[in-house]
Amino acid sequence: AQKVTQAQTEISVVEKEDVTLDCVYETRDTTYYLFWYKQPPSGELVFLIRRNSFDEQNEISGRYSWNFQKSTSSFNFTITASQVVDSAVYFCALSEEGGKLIFGQGTELSVKP
Amino acid sequence: EAGVTQFPSHSVIEKGQTVTLRCDPISGHDNLYWYRRVMGKEIKFLLHFVKESKQDESGMPNNRFLAERTGGTYSTLKVQPAELEDSGVYFCASSQVEGWADEKLFFGSGTQLSVL
Repeated sequence: AQKVTQAQTEISVVEKEDVTLDCVYETRDTTYYLFWYKQPPSGELVFLIRRNSFDEQNEISGRYSWNFQKSTSSFNFTITASQVVDSAVYFCALSEEGGKLIFGQGTELSVKP
Repeated sequence: EAGVTQFPSHSVIEKGQTVTLRCDPISGHDNLYWYRRVMGKEIKFLLHFVKESKQDESGMPNNRFLAERTGGTYSTLKVQPAELEDSGVYFCASSQVEGWADEKLFFGSGTQLSVL
């Protein structure tokens, strides 16, 4: 069965600290996609990244970076020099064919000034 | 371009009452999904429309939930009668491309449903 685990329920850091959000997944598919979404206080889920199972290159976008490791079935997300505006709930998700997403439980990140 | 919009943003009802949630997808998006997050838990898939047809409703909890998408535009999700365990945030999402999950889903802000 497909499953996504985000073991960290809540993380609290001080502004400018680096923080890594962990995501571990289980799937029997050889082709799959992994996603990260951000849910700010306003409520909507904001797409951050999509990664397919054949592309293990790490990705960097500004202060955000993602580390995809198939060997450990992990897709971790790092925020460098965190800011108060990064405070949100972050969800990792795994795709199934047809667009259905399997989400983790979410990690609530609180960045304090 | 307008995003995915959901109405209402919040709904508080008593057990046994009926509630109808509405989702307006992005114009031109044939795929429409409903998801739900019960407090503190993962977001779970409920169902998937392609245009007006239900492609996958495997996540619908029980027959108290009825989803429709007449005309392939907006969708409604009705809960009748509502139970306490139906409380949570109901998200709607839409996408343009059918069939594979590499298409990015656009989510709405959700409807916070509280059943007392």
